[in-house]
Amino acid sequence: AQSVTQLDSQVPVFEEAPVELRCNYSSSVSVYLFWYVQYPNQGLQLLLKYLSGSTLVKGINGFEAEFNKSQTSFHLRKPSVHISDTAEYFCAVSRGGADGLTFGKGTHLIIQP
Amino acid sequence: ETGVTQSPTHLIKTRGQQVTLRCSSQSGHNTVSWYQQALGQGPQFIFQYYREEENGRGNFPPRFSGLQFPNYSSELNVNALELDDSALYLCASSHGTDYGYTFGSGTRLTVV
Repeated sequence: AQSVTQLDSQVPVFEEAPVELRCNYSSSVSVYLFWYVQYPNQGLQLLLKYLSGSTLVKGINGFEAEFNKSQTSFHLRKPSVHISDTAEYFCAVSRGGADGLTFGKGTHLIIQP
Repeated sequence: ETGVTQSPTHLIKTRGQQVTLRCSSQSGHNTVSWYQQALGQGPQFIFQYYREEENGRGNFPPRFSGLQFPNYSSELNVNALELDDSALYLCASSHGTDYGYTFGSGTRLTVV
């Protein structure tokens, strides 16, 4: 079975500053990796995904993530955050097929003006 | 293109009752999966349906069951409700294995 650890439950950052949200996973097999964002009282929106190929993945809203197989990490970054980025961010993994997604507990990104 | 729609948005049930939640998949998507998200937690995979057959299941008891219809809409049924079943239930659809899961806004179930 696989698992996901999001190391920070909350990350406060000032507007226009860079941010990194950390995600580590464990799995005995190759996995696909995802980052989702959840705004209050809404469902999940896919930010980006890593299936194969280049380890640097670019997503929507200026976010990017880097897959590091040796460190089993998939950290999410944004060079300059905006107040509208305030939300809950979830890292997830899947072995594919009918496996479903295994999510971390989430990181609450708090943007301070 | 339409997204994933879920109904109802909120629901209150009594312990021991049964509940049915509904999901309409995004147009063109033939795979639907359901997740349970307890307050302050990440979503947990309940099960997945592909072409009307359950083809994957998480660690949930049999009282959680589902259906997928020919038009790819879906239902989640929960029998003998327990207080711990109180959660946000999310439906997600995708096309085959492209892993472009589109999530609905969820149904908030409260069991009292």
